[in-house]
Amino acid sequence: AQSVSQHNHHVILSEAASLELGCNYSYGGTVNLFWYVQYPGQHLQLLLKYFSGDPLVKGIKGFEAEFIKSKFSFNLRKPSVQWSDTAEYFCAVNNNAGNMLTFGGGTRLMVKP
Amino acid sequence: DAGITQSPRHKVTETGTPVTLRCHQTENHRYMYWYRQDPGHGLRLIHYSYGVKDTDKGEVSDGYSVSRSKTEDFLLTLESATSSQTSVYFCAISEPTGPNTEAFFGQGTRLTVV
Repeated sequence: AQSVSQHNHHVILSEAASLELGCNYSYGGTVNLFWYVQYPGQHLQLLLKYFSGDPLVKGIKGFEAEFIKSKFSFNLRKPSVQWSDTAEYFCAVNNNAGNMLTFGGGTRLMVKP
Repeated sequence: DAGITQSPRHKVTETGTPVTLRCHQTENHRYMYWYRQDPGHGLRLIHYSYGVKDTDKGEVSDGYSVSRSKTEDFLLTLESATSSQTSVYFCAISEPTGPNTEAFFGQGTRLTVV
């Protein structure tokens, strides 16, 4: 069975600080990787996704993530966060059949103005 | 936003009563999912469906049943609600055929069992 671990449960940053959120998964086969964001009171929205090709993936709002296959990792980064990035971030993985999306426990990010 | 509607959006119910949550989609996606979201646990899959009348269990399926009689509707039923089922429930849809596979989520249903 596949599983996803997000090591940081709560992160507090000041505006303009750099962000890196860790995500590790366990699954031996080919995977698709995702980062979703949930703003307060809202549903999940896709930030970015990786299926194949360039392991550095760029998403919306200046976010990017790097797939490192040897480390089973898919860390999310942003060079300079804004107050509006305050949200909960979820890493997710599914296998190539695409029928079961497994989520990590989430990281709650608070950006102080 | 993808055409996904969850109903009701909020519900308070008593322990032991049956509850049905509805997810309706207008995207004609084959796959539909029910997740529950709890603090510290992220989203956990309850059940999913890969077609009309085709369903399977997720990691936290005990106490829940589902039905999909039409492509557009996926119902989640709590036969006898318990306080441990107090949660936010999200429906998601996907059409996993190639590189554009991603899941789209509904707005969520906040269920409180008292």
